[in-house]
Amino acid sequence: AAGVIQSPRHLIKEKRETATLKCYPIPRHDTVYWYQQGPGQDPQFLISFYEKMQSDKGSIPDRFSAQQFSDYHSELNMSSLELGDSALYFCASSSLGEQPQHFGDGTRLSIL
Amino acid sequence: AQSVTQLGSHVSVSEGALVLLRCNYSSSVPPYLFWYVQYPNQGLQLLLKYTTGATLVKGINGFEAEFKKSETSFHLTKPSAHMSDAAEYFCAVSPFSGSARQLTFGSGTQLTVLP
Repeated sequence: AAGVIQSPRHLIKEKRETATLKCYPIPRHDTVYWYQQGPGQDPQFLISFYEKMQSDKGSIPDRFSAQQFSDYHSELNMSSLELGDSALYFCASSSLGEQPQHFGDGTRLSIL
Repeated sequence: AQSVTQLGSHVSVSEGALVLLRCNYSSSVPPYLFWYVQYPNQGLQLLLKYTTGATLVKGINGFEAEFKKSETSFHLTKPSAHMSDAAEYFCAVSPFSGSARQLTFGSGTQLTVLP
């Protein structure tokens, strides 16, 4: 069965650079969630979209923005990157905002 | 606001022994409850979920969990541990209604299986 696809799997950036993470949900899933997992920490909710509209916002810094496109894929845009942004970023998708959420393998972002 | 507490950040069991990972939640109304497993450098895989109905939930890989409303608990068990069970386990909750369905995770329990 098709799963959630995230790209890239690994990304290395320097401080103050920008990064774009992409998420392709499971076909026919209309809800996308973004989570950030710091080293040795639990995943923290950043932001979610339902039918291309932002549905909820968590602990997402103002330097980050995201959107969901007409084909339901989502992109997380990160600017002015800081060392503390080094983390594993997960995308999850679901249908009609229902549970459970299905997770991708994540993008590991390293800031030098 | 919802929260999840996982007792024991590290649990070690011998191969073949019972696995018990503890999870307690705090919520004004019974939420949806989940257990996810994370292997190194991989994503989160759903083990099992409780939404409504039977309080004893069976999941993949021989795991099961029981929702106990009176104890606000959702402990994960497996009768006999296997080496391949070594991983990080996260308990999570989500509201059962409303537009905000994001997951709130516990801090995780690292399970080590000893030969």
